[in-house]
Amino acid sequence: KAGVTQTPRYLIKTRGQQVTLSCSPISGHRSVSWYQQTPGQGLQFLFEYFSETQRNKGNFPGRFSGRQFSNSRSEMNVSTLELGDSALYLCASSPDTTQSSIYGYTFGSGTRLTVV
Amino acid sequence: SQQGEEDPQALSIQEGENATMNCSYKTSINNLQWYRQNSGRGLVHLILIRSNEREKHSGRLRVTLDTSKKSSSLLITASRAADTASYFCATDGGGGADGLTFGKGTHLIIQP
Repeated sequence: KAGVTQTPRYLIKTRGQQVTLSCSPISGHRSVSWYQQTPGQGLQFLFEYFSETQRNKGNFPGRFSGRQFSNSRSEMNVSTLELGDSALYLCASSPDTTQSSIYGYTFGSGTRLTVV
Repeated sequence: SQQGEEDPQALSIQEGENATMNCSYKTSINNLQWYRQNSGRGLVHLILIRSNEREKHSGRLRVTLDTSKKSSSLLITASRAADTASYFCATDGGGGADGLTFGKGTHLIIQP
C-alpha cells in the first residue's frame, strides 16, 4: 500500500510569508504527527493529530499550527516565516497510539522548506 | 528538547565489520525506537523495544535496553555499504500523544 505522502517536496519562501505543508498518511492510519529537523536542534516534535483533534503540541510558537481532516490527511501551517524556520518537516503516521507503541511510526520523505 | 544522546556522533568502519551505536536518555519511557535516515530524507523505522524488554533482534540488527542505566545500544552485524546513513534513537514516554523525543543521531559510514 502507498506510504506517507508529503507535498511539496521542496519549497522556497520569503521571510514574513506563510506556508502550508500537506501530509497524507497511510490508508487507515488515523494518527499523524509532525516533526521539524534542523542541523542545530535536530528532530523536534511539533504536534500530533488523531481523529481530527490535536492531542498534544511541542514547544513551538503559535505561528506553527496544524489541522487534520476527516480523511486523516493533515496540514501544517507556519505564518510570518523566519529564517530559522528553514528545515526539513517530517510527517509520521500510525494506526493509533496503541499500534505506534508496538510497531513505531511510518515517516514521509519530508518537505524541505527554505526561507530567504 | 533532546532526550536521547547517541554515541558516537560519527562512525566509519569497513564493510563486513559490526557497528555499535549507543543511546542514553533521561526520563522514564514506554518504549525506545531506532530509525535510519538516508541523506536528509525520511526516517525509516528499524526496531522498537519496550521498557520491559532487554534485548530484541531483527535480521542483522540487535537492540539492547538497560532501563536502570537509561541506555540502549544498536548493533548492526556484517555491515554493508547500503547501511551508510544516520541512525537515531527515539524515546516514547507512553501513549504517543507527546510524540517521540529524538537524539541527535550517529552518522555511520561503511567503507567498501
